[in-house]
Amino acid sequence: DQQVKQNSPSLSVQEGRISILNCDYTNSMFDYFLWYKKYPAEGPTFLISISSIKDKNEDGRFTVFLNKSAKHLSLHIVPSQPGDSAVYFCAAYSSGGSYIPTFGRGTSLIVHP
Amino acid sequence: DTAVSQTPKYLVTQMGNDKSIKCEQNLGHDTMYWYKQDSKKFLKIMFSYNNKELIINETVPNRFSPKSPDKAHLNLHINSLELGDSAVYFCASSQDRTGRGYTFGSGTRLTVV
Repeated sequence: DQQVKQNSPSLSVQEGRISILNCDYTNSMFDYFLWYKKYPAEGPTFLISISSIKDKNEDGRFTVFLNKSAKHLSLHIVPSQPGDSAVYFCAAYSSGGSYIPTFGRGTSLIVHP
Repeated sequence: DTAVSQTPKYLVTQMGNDKSIKCEQNLGHDTMYWYKQDSKKFLKIMFSYNNKELIINETVPNRFSPKSPDKAHLNLHINSLELGDSAVYFCASSQDRTGRGYTFGSGTRLTVV
C-alpha cells in the first residue's frame, strides 16, 4: 500500500527552466512533508519541508506547495541548474504517530545544459 | 569529515552467511535509523533507536538484529542471508524523533548470491 506516490519516475528539463516534481499521498493523518535529494552513490540529503498549516514554503530556488484537499504536494525548482540533476524523494509523516517518514520511490530529474 | 558513515560500502556474500554493517554518526544526534531501499526504489524504515533504546521495529525478519553500543553507533547484523535481502541499506540520524531533516549515510549495497 503506497501511501506516498511519485508517479513520474523521471523528468527532463532544460537549464534555466522550471522543474516541477509532484507527489501524492493517501494518508489523511500526514501533517508534515519533506523533500530529499539524492545523488548516485550517496545518501539522500534533506532539501525542504512543509507542515500542513502552510500551503507554501520557499528556500532560495526551491519552493514546496501543499494542497491538502487534493492530498498533493509539488516541488518547484526555479531556475533549474545541471547540478540539480538527482533523484528527488517525497516523504511524509504524522506528528500524532511515530514521526517516521514514509518515502515515495523518487523521481529522477535530469537538467540539460 | 563524514557526518554519518557506513561500512562497508559494498558487500557481496553467499546465501546462508552472517554479515554486519556498521554505522557511526558524529553529529551528536539522539536518534538513529536503518532504512532499506529495495529493488522498487522505496525507502522503508527497518529500525529506529533513540539514545540506545529501540523505539521502532517494523516488520523485519528476526534474522535482522540492530545493536547500538552507544548513542553514536547503530550496527546492523544479518543472520542466514537470503537472496531477497539484496538491497541498499541506509543508516540515518536525526537530532530528535520528529522525523525532520534526517542525515543519511551513503548506503551499503548488499548483494546475496
